[in-house]
Amino acid sequence: QSVLTQPASVSGSPGQSITISCTGASSDVNSYKSISWYQQHPGKAPKVIIFDVSDRPSGVSTRFSGSKSGNTASLTISGVQPEDEATYYCISYTSSSTVVFGGGTKLTVL
Amino acid sequence: QVQLVQSGPEVKRPGASVKVSCKASGYTFSDYYVNWVRQAPGQGPVWLGWISPKNGNTKYAQNFQGRAAMTADTSTTTAYMELRSLMFDDTALYFCARGLRWLDPWGQGTLVTVSS
Repeated sequence: QSVLTQPASVSGSPGQSITISCTGASSDVNSYKSISWYQQHPGKAPKVIIFDVSDRPSGVSTRFSGSKSGNTASLTISGVQPEDEATYYCISYTSSSTVVFGGGTKLTVL
Repeated sequence: QVQLVQSGPEVKRPGASVKVSCKASGYTFSDYYVNWVRQAPGQGPVWLGWISPKNGNTKYAQNFQGRAAMTADTSTTTAYMELRSLMFDDTALYFCARGLRWLDPWGQGTLVTVSS
């Protein structure tokens, strides 16, 4: 059972904005040192798209953005594209030096 | 470029052990933690633990404490993950990944199949 809760699926039409949430139990997310987000296409390794809540690695589209409020972190894809269809995971590095995963959210581009 | 290359697929019997390697290149190996993550077919990733190649310190997920062993050889810039007493539900794709606050890059994955 994942410590971080994500919706199982989201969908959107090309050009729409979608948001994926990542919620920790009570104030867990608040106490976590860092939230990062990963995109995984079938048969591939996950790829980081957001780190430290809202920073974007070089080469990742500016359509991806991250934020956090209270115990919920969020990933927003502005203007979703067909190539964004994938599964998205949040990860947190916790204050006890462990790493916890969200259960994953499958994005379908209609 | 920064790269992690893992060993090839393994097929093991229940009760056996498996050791997966992760060869790092393109960066100073001892400066970054190496994490191990597994993903069962159709499931989300699960974190197994990390190792600091600099000093050999490790941290394991509670569910794998005592059954997983992570090591690192700085002379060959290779990290290893051994999983003992394999069970059918240990069948999964095993990944290594660099970092701690975020994981980047990831290895290509090593398929471990537990079958009788």
